[in-house]
Amino acid sequence: DIQMTQSPSSLSASVGDRVTITCRSSQSISVYLNWYQQKPGKAPNLLIYAASRLQSGVPSRFSGSGSGTDFTLTISSLQPEDFATYYCQQSYRSPRSFGPGTKVDMK
Amino acid sequence: QVTLSESGPTLVKPTQTLTLTCTFSGFSLNTGGMCVTWIRQAPGKALEWLALIDWDDNKFFSTSLKTRLTISKDASKNQVVLTMTDMDPVDTGTYFCARAYATNWYSLDYWGQGTLVTVSS
Repeated sequence: DIQMTQSPSSLSASVGDRVTITCRSSQSISVYLNWYQQKPGKAPNLLIYAASRLQSGVPSRFSGSGSGTDFTLTISSLQPEDFATYYCQQSYRSPRSFGPGTKVDMK
Repeated sequence: QVTLSESGPTLVKPTQTLTLTCTFSGFSLNTGGMCVTWIRQAPGKALEWLALIDWDDNKFFSTSLKTRLTISKDASKNQVVLTMTDMDPVDTGTYFCARAYATNWYSLDYWGQGTLVTVSS
């Protein structure tokens, strides 16, 4: 199975900050890496697929990069609605595992 | 418009079998590259990928849970059914179904709202 890790597990930031979250896979997954945002009590929402492709309707302050085993999600200027938990997920091979999540809260 | 909705019991007893149904609209599981996935989330914990069924009736399971899971589809009814045997209190959580499609690199682009399942005697 492919194991996914994320760092940090949590971070505190202020509105307007640039935020970067890292995801790493235990083996190469090409660009089959997706990012989701989840708010309490809600289903996750797809932000980025194929490592860097912005899902329709997602603000352009979200961006993704990487290939192989190392990936990054960047929020260029954190907005109040961005305080949430972020998960990466590989869709390269089943079982299509998730990372453990990164919680972004207010500093 | 793509929608998915999970249904099933909210409370099951330990050792019982859980049966959940995902009813969807706006796409067909007869379409090449289309998949439905089940994911769960224990309270306060991370997302856990459980199982997937694709348009060609291929089935994939979580390695740690594969002996307890079955997945099936009824494409004519637009439904996917997940069963999990021998339920335990640690299986308490919210169960989601979601769509994955080849054109989106099998990302989970549409999700149901989730259904909370509690395992307790």
